Amino acid sequence: AQRVTQPEKLLSVFKGAPVELKCNYSYSGSPELFWYVQYSRQRLQLLLRHISRESIKGFTADLNKGETSFHLKKPFAQEEDSAMYYCALSPAAVTGNQFYFGTGTSLTVIP
Amino acid sequence: DTGVSQNPRHKITKRGQNVTFRCDPISEHNRLYWYRQTLGQGPEFLTYFQNEAQLEKSRLLSDRFSAERPKGSFSTLEIQRTEQGDSAMYLCASSHGPNTEAFFGQGTRLTVV
Repeated sequence: AQRVTQPEKLLSVFKGAPVELKCNYSYSGSPELFWYVQYSRQRLQLLLRHISRESIKGFTADLNKGETSFHLKKPFAQEEDSAMYYCALSPAAVTGNQFYFGTGTSLTVIP
Repeated sequence: DTGVSQNPRHKITKRGQNVTFRCDPISEHNRLYWYRQTLGQGPEFLTYFQNEAQLEKSRLLSDRFSAERPKGSFSTLEIQRTEQGDSAMYLCASSHGPNTEAFFGQGTRLTVV
């Protein structure tokens, strides 16, 4: 069965410091991985997906199949990055879009 | 706002009552999803539609839950004989098709008292 684990419920970093939000997954096939973000009082929205290999708002995430991880990283955190971050897995790259979400990590960037 | 719209935003109901929520997806999107989110958890998949066809249902979707998308546009999620455990945020999302970004609504928060 597929599962997404985000081990940190809360994460605080100072502005300008590097930040890494951890995500591990279990799935026997080739999953597609995503990071979704929810800012205060806003709806859940896509931040990035591994297949596009983009950097969005300074964030990057690399899929490590050996470690079954998809950690989200940013070299210099900004106050506006404070939000709830969810890692999500879609088990079928072709027919996907049924997302399995982790429990989320609440990131606070301290000024 | 041309995004996914959900109504009502909040619903308080007594245990045993039936409730119905509505989701209006982005107009050109053929896929529509329902998720449930409880406190401290990520969204959990309930069901999804491809146009008007309900293609998959989670085991979380008990017999008391039913979802429809009669004309392939808006969708309704009905919960019959509500229980306190049904209290949660119910999220709707839509997408253009498989493997494309899903856009979420702001959710309907249900409280069963």
